[in-house]
Amino acid sequence: GENVEQHPSTLSVQEGDSAVIKCTYSDSASNYFPWYKQELGKGPQLIIDIRSNVGEKKDQRIAVTLNKTAKHFSLHITETQPEDSAVYFCAASLDTGGFKTIFGAGTRLFVKA
Amino acid sequence: AAGVIQSPRHLIKEKRETATLKCYPIPRHDTVYWYQQGPGQDPQFLISFYEKMQSDKGSIPDRFSAQQFSDYHSELNMSSLELGDSALYFCASSSSSDEGAPFQPQHFGDGTRLSIL
Repeated sequence: GENVEQHPSTLSVQEGDSAVIKCTYSDSASNYFPWYKQELGKGPQLIIDIRSNVGEKKDQRIAVTLNKTAKHFSLHITETQPEDSAVYFCAASLDTGGFKTIFGAGTRLFVKA
Repeated sequence: AAGVIQSPRHLIKEKRETATLKCYPIPRHDTVYWYQQGPGQDPQFLISFYEKMQSDKGSIPDRFSAQQFSDYHSELNMSSLELGDSALYFCASSSSSDEGAPFQPQHFGDGTRLSIL
């Protein structure tokens, strides 16, 4: 089955700096890779996703890159703000046929003002 | 915009009791997923339903069962509760593509916090 590893487990950056979170997956059949942000007391919120036929996707300050050959994908947050502080989860799944989504262990991001 | 609604938000039970968690997906979403999240852990997939049929199964204990109803809401039934069942339980929903297969992404509710005393 699929296994997703996520690094680092904790990340502390200064406001305005960039933050990068990296994930690797094991099942080459996975073709959909969402990223979720979870704040205390709330459910995971989708912030960006990428499919295996795309190498990079950007949405304002957030970007995700995917290297299918190496089976790794990364989240990049630029110009970080204190409100970006949260736990971020990467995940891998099949977007058709398969329904199971496997999450990484999460990265706790602290953005210091 | 309407989101996934879960009820109750908090539930306290004793060992060996039963519990039922409810999930109301986003309108027009036909797929529902259940996850369990322990303290400081990532969400663990339990089970999913597509068009009222079980579509995939993860690490759901035999003491738990779930179903999706004709109005697409879903219920997670938990019996013989154990201390280790204390966790956040999330429901997520997604809509299918025109081809009839589920189309990600999943949208999560804010969860039910289940505490077993």
